[in-house]
Amino acid sequence: EAGVAQSPRYKIIEKRQSVAFWCNPISGHATLYWYQQILGQGPKLLIQFQNNGVVDDSQLPKDRFSAERLKGVDSTLKIQPAKLEDSAVYLCASSSPGLGPGEQYFGPGTRLTVT
Amino acid sequence: AQSVTQLGSHVSVSEGALVLLRCNYSSSVPPYLFWYVQYPNQGLQLLLKYTSAATLVKGINGFEAEFKKSETSFHLTKPSAHMSDAAEYFCAVSDIGGTSYGKLTFGQGTILTVHP
Repeated sequence: EAGVAQSPRYKIIEKRQSVAFWCNPISGHATLYWYQQILGQGPKLLIQFQNNGVVDDSQLPKDRFSAERLKGVDSTLKIQPAKLEDSAVYLCASSSPGLGPGEQYFGPGTRLTVT
Repeated sequence: AQSVTQLGSHVSVSEGALVLLRCNYSSSVPPYLFWYVQYPNQGLQLLLKYTSAATLVKGINGFEAEFKKSETSFHLTKPSAHMSDAAEYFCAVSDIGGTSYGKLTFGQGTILTVHP
């Protein structure tokens, strides 16, 4: 079974530029999560999708971050414009009801450096 | 609101020694608790989970954790450390109801170093 795929793995941009990250969850997983992991901290949930609908985006900085999951499968997270404090690893995870609450499968992440 | 505190951002042990990583939680309802492990340049991987059944939970790679409600703790242990255990470990608590079903709140992580 293929795991959660993310791309790119690394990205370096200058502040005020835009960037997009892509995630392909495990086949059949209806729930998709995006996390931000700043160095030295635990992952923080940015947004949770159930199929193509948003369940929780309370911690997404909506003035600069956006995310979509148009067909209920792949998802894209965008930052526009980026700030220095956005430097972090962005993790995508997926889950299905049969796994029980909290059991999630994570991708390898995208490491973003904003200079 | 739920929260998790991991005591000690870095733990160093010798190979073969006991591993003890500490986690305390705060939750208004009986929690589901988790330990995830993150190896360098990889995503998080589930190590073990507590879901209100047995209080002593066994996970992969010889790790186990004990849920102690009176102490609001869920410490992770392994009797004998191996070099391959070097990684960052995260304790997490999950929402089990409402619109945030399955949402994880993580602690800040503990980096485990294993010396030969």
